[in-house]
Amino acid sequence: NAGVTQTPKFRILKIGQSMTLQCAQDMNHNYMYWYRQDPGMGLKLIYYSVGAGITDKGEVPNGYNVSRSTTEDFPLRLELAAPSQTSVYFCASSARQKKSYNEQFFGPGTRLTVL
Amino acid sequence: TQLLEQSPQFLSIQEGENLTVYCNSSSVFSSLQWYRQEPGEGPVLLVTVVTGGEVKKLKRLTFQFGDARKDSSLHITAAQPGDTGLYLCAGALSGGSNYKLTFGKGTLLTVNP
Repeated sequence: NAGVTQTPKFRILKIGQSMTLQCAQDMNHNYMYWYRQDPGMGLKLIYYSVGAGITDKGEVPNGYNVSRSTTEDFPLRLELAAPSQTSVYFCASSARQKKSYNEQFFGPGTRLTVL
Repeated sequence: TQLLEQSPQFLSIQEGENLTVYCNSSSVFSSLQWYRQEPGEGPVLLVTVVTGGEVKKLKRLTFQFGDARKDSSLHITAAQPGDTGLYLCAGALSGGSNYKLTFGKGTLLTVNP
């Protein structure tokens, strides 16, 4: 099991460029998430998905788009990169649980710099 | 507005010392989790607490969930350099979706040899 994988690990973009951050999981998890982590700010939810074909906005969705065509993959798209999107991006996944809590498994992150 | 407040934000101690970090909120949570994140990696779950007053131990780490399910603490006994990292608390709001977590800003712990 590779768990949650993310590519690329590092990327530098110029203002206005676009790119897709890739995320894949091999645990057959229903739920997937994208977070951004800025220094001293914890994790902020960008988008999440409860299953293939279903996505919803999180706390900070502006400037991003997602799609979920398969259970395994959950790419994050930046259309017009801005310096404010400089951050570390984490993808996570979790299984559908009947119990009251839900453990999230995180990928290693993508460090993005927009200049 | 930060739903989960963690304190302290930074903590630097010597090997062998004890420490406690706190996670506080005015909201009630159905569950609360603690994650540890090492530099260059994603967070990894340490523990989940779900019952008010619950205490869980993981070797030298003791986690407690407040009676009212609004706060939690993490106590480390005889800290070691391997405990260095960012400790994040995360909660699922009571009455909300159990799969959506709210994260605190974290406590950055450095244990010096």
